[in-house]
Amino acid sequence: QKEVEQNSGPLSVPEGAIASLNCTYSDRGSQSFFWYRQYSGKSPELIMFIYSNGDKEDGRFTAQLNKASQYVSLLIRDSQPSDSATYLCAGSGNQFYFGTGTSLTVIP
Amino acid sequence: DAGVIQSPRHEVTEMGQEVTLRCKPISGHDYLFWYRQTMMRGLELLIYFNNNVPIDDSGMPEDRFSAKMPNASFSTLKIQPSEPRDSAVYFCASSRLAFGDTQYFGPGTRLTVL
Repeated sequence: QKEVEQNSGPLSVPEGAIASLNCTYSDRGSQSFFWYRQYSGKSPELIMFIYSNGDKEDGRFTAQLNKASQYVSLLIRDSQPSDSATYLCAGSGNQFYFGTGTSLTVIP
Repeated sequence: DAGVIQSPRHEVTEMGQEVTLRCKPISGHDYLFWYRQTMMRGLELLIYFNNNVPIDDSGMPEDRFSAKMPNASFSTLKIQPSEPRDSAVYFCASSRLAFGDTQYFGPGTRLTVL
């Protein structure tokens, strides 16, 4: 079992809808979680990080962490075509683990 | 700040040749990471340095791979001899702190071994 699991998708949502991306992790020692966005042919760029249980909001993005369930999610409200990318979930404790990413397509 | 700088951006070489990838981290960042990304395996951490010292190289696939960081502003990843299965995008990333901190990625080097 990989340390961080993501549904590879692809996930398609219409423009203006909410996109929900999910991630589970196996290492209970993981302290911090990161969501990166990667456009095709580009490098990963950080969108959000979360350390504490609950929700963290930044503009159209909301990260959710549930340590009891070992679950991390990213919600994108009012999805735009420019949000179309692969989203990588990463967890860190004594190491840094990336999921394989979820491909998101926002349909105009 | 210019961000993490990597060179070359693209490298095409023949099997058996030596390949050297280069990275300049963000100034002031004490941690440097080398990753490899493929469609099949995603992002894999190869090795990371703290203050120029290699801390964990358990992700280096085999002895053909080696990495150095002679000073705080420069690191290399070398593959000798290269093989077709080494074809991937290699990213360098840096951060101020260890794994709990944001990592900033360079643009990557796309390596093709024929």
